Amino acid sequence: GAGVSQTPSNKVTEKGKYVELRCDPISGHTALYWYRQSLGQGPEFLIYFQGTGAADDSGLPNDRFFAVRPEGSVSTLKIQRTERGDSAVYLCASRVDMNTEAFFGQGTRLTVV
Amino acid sequence: KQEVTQIPAALSVPEGENLVLNCSFTDSAIYNLQWFRQDPGKGLTSLLLIQSSQREQTSGRLNASLDKSSGRSTLYIAASQPGDSATYLCAVETSGSRLTFGEGTQLTVNP
Repeated sequence: GAGVSQTPSNKVTEKGKYVELRCDPISGHTALYWYRQSLGQGPEFLIYFQGTGAADDSGLPNDRFFAVRPEGSVSTLKIQRTERGDSAVYLCASRVDMNTEAFFGQGTRLTVV
Repeated sequence: KQEVTQIPAALSVPEGENLVLNCSFTDSAIYNLQWFRQDPGKGLTSLLLIQSSQREQTSGRLNASLDKSSGRSTLYIAASQPGDSATYLCAVETSGSRLTFGEGTQLTVNP
C-alpha cells in the first residue's frame, strides 16, 4: 500500500493479557516511530527505530512495553500484562530519514477491560 | 525538555472566515516543525513541514510561518470551510529525531 498500515484497527483485551500491535511502514522509509495518544491529548513518544535498531526507546513507560523491527520494515509493539491505563490509541509513523516529513497510520485503538 | 503549547485549545468560526492557530515551543534548537490534521477517530495527516532555515510554507489555503528564535509558529487558514473542521496538531523535531507534539487545537467551522 501507499501509506502506513496498522493492524488491528481496534483491539479489546482483558486486564493482564498480552497484546501485539503491528505497523507496516511506507516502503523505503528507514525511520519508524511509535506514539501513544490518550483522548484529548497530543501524541506521546514511545520509541524510534532507525533501520532495525531502536535508536531511542526512552519513551516506553515501563518494562511491560517492548517493540521490535527485525528486518528494518514491519514493526511490532508488544505489551505484556496489560493494565486499564494502557488503553489509548497507538500510532505508528514512518519517514525517509530524520528531518523529513513524517507519515502516520490510522492507529490501533487498544481498550483494556 | 522540549514543551509544545497550542493556543487556543478550541475554536469555532463561521464558514468563510480566515483564522490563525498558534504553536509555541520552549527549546528553539529545532530541526523542523510540522503541522498535522487529525479527524475524529483517525490518524494524523501531514499538512506542512517547515525546515528550521525557512520562514514559511504554503499549501493551497494553508500558510504556516516559523519564528525559530522566538519559539513560535502559526498556521493560517484562509476562507475556512466546514470540511476544515478537525484537530490541528503541531510537532517539532529536536536532536535525536524525536517529534514532540502539542495538545492540539480543535477547530469547528460552522456552515
